[in-house]
Amino acid sequence: QKEVEQNSGPLSVPEGAIASLNCTYSDRGSQSFFWYRQYSGKSPELIMFIYSNGDKEDGRFTAQLNKASQYVSLLIRDSQPSDSATYLCAVSLVNNDMRFGAGTRLTVKP
Amino acid sequence: ETGVTQSPTHLIKTRGQQVTLRCSSQSGHNTVSWYQQALGQGPQFIFQYYREEENGRGNFPPRFSGLQFPNYSSELNVNALELDDSALYLCASSAGLAGSYEQYFGPGTRLTVT
Repeated sequence: QKEVEQNSGPLSVPEGAIASLNCTYSDRGSQSFFWYRQYSGKSPELIMFIYSNGDKEDGRFTAQLNKASQYVSLLIRDSQPSDSATYLCAVSLVNNDMRFGAGTRLTVKP
Repeated sequence: ETGVTQSPTHLIKTRGQQVTLRCSSQSGHNTVSWYQQALGQGPQFIFQYYREEENGRGNFPPRFSGLQFPNYSSELNVNALELDDSALYLCASSAGLAGSYEQYFGPGTRLTVT
């Protein structure tokens, strides 16, 4: 089992729709969870981080964390073509090492 | 822009050679982490340096080594280059250990090994 798993996609949604990106992790001791956006040919850009169970909202983005289910998700409301990118889920291990998923490629169609 | 810089931008090396990549952390950050990202994959954690000492290492052989300097900038050294070392190398800086603080990435160094 991979430490961090994401659906590779591609995930395609129409402009204005909600995009839902999912991530599961294996280390029950993980405490910190991050979502990064990576445009083709660019480096990852931090979108959100979440440490506690529940929802955290920032503009059009909502991160959801369920530690019991070892599941973290990212919702993008009112998706725009500029949101088209690969979204990376990152999880900290107990020893503070970081593990990234392989990413989900999102396409928002006008 | 994150304030994290890396050099060089691109590099071409021959198998067996050695390479040094450099990273300047964002102002106020004392931790630098290095990642290898192969095409179509997520970043793979190599190691992180916290206050000039290695603090955590991923599944990479000893020929991958690093340094952090008193100004918190960092170097990644790779000896005996192999073809599979061809990748984008990313550094990320943070205000503390990567698991507890947000990381901000530099633009990366694209290494090609022929």
